[in-house]
Amino acid sequence: AQSVTQLDSHVSVSEGTPVLLRCNYSSSYSPSLFWYVQHPNKGLQLLLKYTSAATLVKGINGFEAEFKKSETSFHLTKPSAHMSDAAEYFCVVPAVAGTASKLTFGTGTRLQVTL
Amino acid sequence: DGGITQSPKYLFRKEGQNVTLSCEQNLNHDAMYWYRQDPGQGLRLIYYSQIVNDFQKGDIAEGYSVSREKKESFPLTVTSAQKNPTAFYLCASRRQEHGDTQYFGPGTRLTVL
Repeated sequence: AQSVTQLDSHVSVSEGTPVLLRCNYSSSYSPSLFWYVQHPNKGLQLLLKYTSAATLVKGINGFEAEFKKSETSFHLTKPSAHMSDAAEYFCVVPAVAGTASKLTFGTGTRLQVTL
Repeated sequence: DGGITQSPKYLFRKEGQNVTLSCEQNLNHDAMYWYRQDPGQGLRLIYYSQIVNDFQKGDIAEGYSVSREKKESFPLTVTSAQKNPTAFYLCASRRQEHGDTQYFGPGTRLTVL
């Protein structure tokens, strides 16, 4: 089974500074990987998806993530944080290789953006 | 206006009562999913359905039931057998041609009084 580990439960940055949210994955092959964002009391919104076409994936709202097979990582970054980026972020992987039915979610990283 | 709708947004239930959460999508998606979210945890899968009139248990199906009589609708019933039902419930859907990407509704917050 595939899994993800989000290394920080909480990250705090100042507005205008870079954001780094860390995710490591466990898989016997190169999986699909996702980042979703959830604002308070809202549903999840897809930020970006890696599907092996390119290791650097650009998403919405200026976010991007780089797939590094040697490090089994898929960290989410943004050059300059905005107050509206404050939310919970989930790293996600399909639960079982070869099936498109189930997703496995990390435990989430709460991003706080301060003035 | 296409998307996934969930109703109600907030739901209060007395202990011992069954309640049904609605999930509707007009995206023509094939598969639909129900997740439960508790504070500080990721999402956990309750049930999913890949086609009409068929559904499978997820990781935490006990105390829940579903039906999939129409492609657009996937209601979730939280029964009195669910010991700790207070949580945020999220519905998602997926189109076969889009691979494993799931799209989420806005959620229903259930509180047991």
